[in-house]
Amino acid sequence: SQQGEEDPQALSIQEGENATMNCSYKTSINNLQWYRQNSGRGLVHLILIRSNEREKHSGRLRVTLDTSKKSSSLLITASRAADTASYFCATDAGSARQLTFGSGTQLTVLP
Amino acid sequence: DTAVSQTPKYLVTQMGNDKSIKCEQNLGHDTMYWYKQDSKKFLKIMFSYNNKELIINETVPNRFSPKSPDKAHLNLHINSLELGDSAVYFCASSQGPRIYGYTFGSGTRLTVV
Repeated sequence: SQQGEEDPQALSIQEGENATMNCSYKTSINNLQWYRQNSGRGLVHLILIRSNEREKHSGRLRVTLDTSKKSSSLLITASRAADTASYFCATDAGSARQLTFGSGTQLTVLP
Repeated sequence: DTAVSQTPKYLVTQMGNDKSIKCEQNLGHDTMYWYKQDSKKFLKIMFSYNNKELIINETVPNRFSPKSPDKAHLNLHINSLELGDSAVYFCASSQGPRIYGYTFGSGTRLTVV
C-alpha cells in the first residue's frame, strides 16, 4: 500500500509563481524525502528532512515536516518552466532501509 | 559518467518469455533496489539488496528474481512474462536512506505483448 498520499494530484501555475505540494503519510518515519521525475526519466533526489527537523531549505525549495499531523509540504518559489515534472514524497520508516513513495503531484509551469 | 545505468532502456517481448534487465552503479553504494512504476506513476518497491541480505516485497510474484554478482550490480530476472508485468522498472542505489537519498537509473520500459 502507498505510505504517502500527495495533494494535489496535478497543479498548473504561471512561471514566477510559487508551487506548493503536500504529502501525508500513515506511520512514524525516520525521514521524508522529495524527488522530481521529468517525463520519461528517472527520479532525482531533491531534499531529505529528518523526523526531528521541522523545516529545510535548498535553493528555491522549502520543505516542512509536521510529524504530529504526519504531513509534509514542498514549496518551490519563483517557478520556472523547467520545474515542470512530477514530484514525489517518499518515507523511510521502520528498519527495512526501503523508501515508500507517494502517489506524486504533476506540476506544470506555464511560460 | 552515469551513476546508475540500466539496460535495456526499452524491452518489448511476448507473453511467456523470460527476460533480464541489468543494473550497475559506480557510486560505491552499499544498497541497491528495484522499483516498479505503473501507468499511473505509482512506484512500488520490489527488492532491496544490501551486503547479501535480500528483502523481497511480499506482493512480488516469485517469477521475479534479483541476482547480484557483485556489490555494483543488481540484475532483475523475470520468468514467464505476463501482460500485467508491463511497466517501467527502475533500479536505484543508496549509501543509506537514513542519511542520503536514492540515486535512480533512467528506467527500463517493459512492454509485454
